[in-house]
Amino acid sequence: GNSVTQMEGPVTLSEEAFLTINCTYTATGYPSLFWYVQYPGEGLQLLLKATKADDKGSNKGFEATYRKETTSFHLEKGSVQVSDSAVYFCALSSQGGSEKLVFGKGTKLTVNP
Amino acid sequence: DVKVTQSSRYLVKRTGEKVFLECVQDMDHENMFWYRQDPGLGLRLIYFSYDVKMKEKGDIPEGYSVSREKKERFSLILESASTNQTSMYLCASSRRGQGTRGNQPQHFGDGTRLSIL
Repeated sequence: GNSVTQMEGPVTLSEEAFLTINCTYTATGYPSLFWYVQYPGEGLQLLLKATKADDKGSNKGFEATYRKETTSFHLEKGSVQVSDSAVYFCALSSQGGSEKLVFGKGTKLTVNP
Repeated sequence: DVKVTQSSRYLVKRTGEKVFLECVQDMDHENMFWYRQDPGLGLRLIYFSYDVKMKEKGDIPEGYSVSREKKERFSLILESASTNQTSMYLCASSRRGQGTRGNQPQHFGDGTRLSIL
């Protein structure tokens, strides 16, 4: 079946550090890939998405590239801020149109000033 | 902006009670979903609905049922609440995808933290 594996946290960084959160997936066909962010006390918000191989999703300084050959969708940001502290979820939506998402377990990021 | 509203942020109920969690979306989305979120387990799909009066089981439907009588409203029902159903519950909605591509993002409410005593 479809699955998503993302790096376990928690991750603690200093402000302006470089961020990478690894995400790999297992799926048949060509899934769509997403990163969601959950700030404390809130629901999940879509951060970025990519729907085909070699697509790059980007938003708020975050980027992720859909790599079919390595089945990966790693999240990166060049310079994190304290306000980026949150839990980040990688997810995939498989072909077939059911729109169900399969989520990774989440990675908690804390950015210190 | 899409708005998904869950009726309660915090709820405390007793074992054996019948519990209703309500979710309303304002963007005419066809699909609606209920998840529970637990530490170390991430999000797990309980039920989803792709149209009025239609529902499908997710990964963990046991002990839950759902109701979708109107397009904008999706209710999660705990038939007889138990302590292992203490959790954060998240509702989401999405537009129906184009063709066979599952490429529509889901929009989430702020969650209901449910405690069963």
